[in-house]
Amino acid sequence: AQTVTQSQPEMSVQEAETVTLSCTYDTSESDYYLFWYKQPPSRQMILVIRQEAYKQQNATENRFSVNFQKAAKSFSLKISDSQLGDAAMYFCAYRSYLTQGGSEKLVFGKGTKLTVNP
Amino acid sequence: KAGVTQTPRYLIKTRGQQVTLSCSPISGHRSVSWYQQTPGQGLQFLFEYFSETQRNKGNFPGRFSGRQFSNSRSEMNVSTLELGDSALYLCASSNRGREKETQYFGPGTRLLVL
Repeated sequence: AQTVTQSQPEMSVQEAETVTLSCTYDTSESDYYLFWYKQPPSRQMILVIRQEAYKQQNATENRFSVNFQKAAKSFSLKISDSQLGDAAMYFCAYRSYLTQGGSEKLVFGKGTKLTVNP
Repeated sequence: KAGVTQTPRYLIKTRGQQVTLSCSPISGHRSVSWYQQTPGQGLQFLFEYFSETQRNKGNFPGRFSGRQFSNSRSEMNVSTLELGDSALYLCASSNRGREKETQYFGPGTRLLVL
């Protein structure tokens, strides 16, 4: 079974600074997807960024980028130019490659609470 | 287009009662998954439906059940509620196999069992 570990329960960053959230995972599969979701106090889970394991290039979405190290099974999220609106719980999630009849089940880490200080 | 909607948003029940939660996926999405979120256990997968068929089920007791209708709307039911069932129940939909394999979440239903 796959597992996802987020070793930082809480992190804080100054506004406009850069912060990196860590995530490691364990799997015996070679094809899979990794996601970072953000959950603000409103509780709505919002997709931040996704990475396909077969792609060597790290995904980027505006101020958000990942450092994907497949051999090390590491998937960290970097937030540049942090804004007050970035304050939220951040969840790392794993999903197996979707084969015919396969499952879209997401396996989540425990989350990292990010505080952004003005 | 409209996002995933969940009703009701908040619910208070007492032990022993049963509850039904509803989820309407994004238009065109045929896959719906349910997750339970608690402070202690985090986010746990409940079940997944695609084209009215259950594709996968998490490690939850039989008191937790679900179904999907022909219009892709989904319901989950919890019978004989226990205090430990208090949680945020999240529904997610996807256009299975498309749209970059991404699940989009609804706002959740917060269930409190007294």
